[in-house]
Amino acid sequence: AQSVTQLGSHVSVSEGALVLLRCNYSSSVPPYLFWYVQYPNQGLQLLLKYTSAATLVKGINGFEAEFKKSETSFHLTKPSAHMSDAAEYFCAVSKRGGAQKLVFGQGTRLTINP
Amino acid sequence: NAGVTQTPKFQVLKTGQSMTLQCAQDMNHEYMSWYRQDPGMGLRLIHYSVGAGITDQGEVPNGYNVSRSTTEDFPLRLLSAAPSQTSVYFCASSYSMGAYGPTGELFFGEGSRLTVL
Repeated sequence: AQSVTQLGSHVSVSEGALVLLRCNYSSSVPPYLFWYVQYPNQGLQLLLKYTSAATLVKGINGFEAEFKKSETSFHLTKPSAHMSDAAEYFCAVSKRGGAQKLVFGQGTRLTINP
Repeated sequence: NAGVTQTPKFQVLKTGQSMTLQCAQDMNHEYMSWYRQDPGMGLRLIHYSVGAGITDQGEVPNGYNVSRSTTEDFPLRLLSAAPSQTSVYFCASSYSMGAYGPTGELFFGEGSRLTVL
């Protein structure tokens, strides 16, 4: 079975600083990996996804993530935080051909300090 | 373009009452699903459907029922509400790649906040 663990339920950074949100996955087969963002009182929207092409994946709003099989990680980064990045971020995993059972992590709330 | 529409946005029920959360999408997506979101637990899959007439259970299906009579609609029924079902419910849909299944790029509704007293 697939699972993800997000390290840190809350992360706080200063505006302009590096954003690093950590995600480790567990999967017995090669996975698909996703990052979703949820702004207050809204549904989730896809930031980026890894489906076995390039290991460095670029998403919307300047975010990117790198798939590291040896570390079973898929950490999300952004070089310079903006106030509008404040939201909750979810890492998710599925097995290839099984995206109907997407499994989400518990979420990380990102706060941006001015 | 409406996307995924959920109704109602808010609902308060008493224990034992039944109700239906509605979900409709206008993107002709084959795959639809229901998740519940609870603090510190992320999103958990309740039920999903890969096409009209086809449904299956997710991680937490007990106490919920679904049907898929059309491509557009995927209602979630609470049979006898319990306080443990107090949550925010999200409907999501996705493109499907035939035998490869949905792409995993889910399009979410804005959520339905349910309180069971």
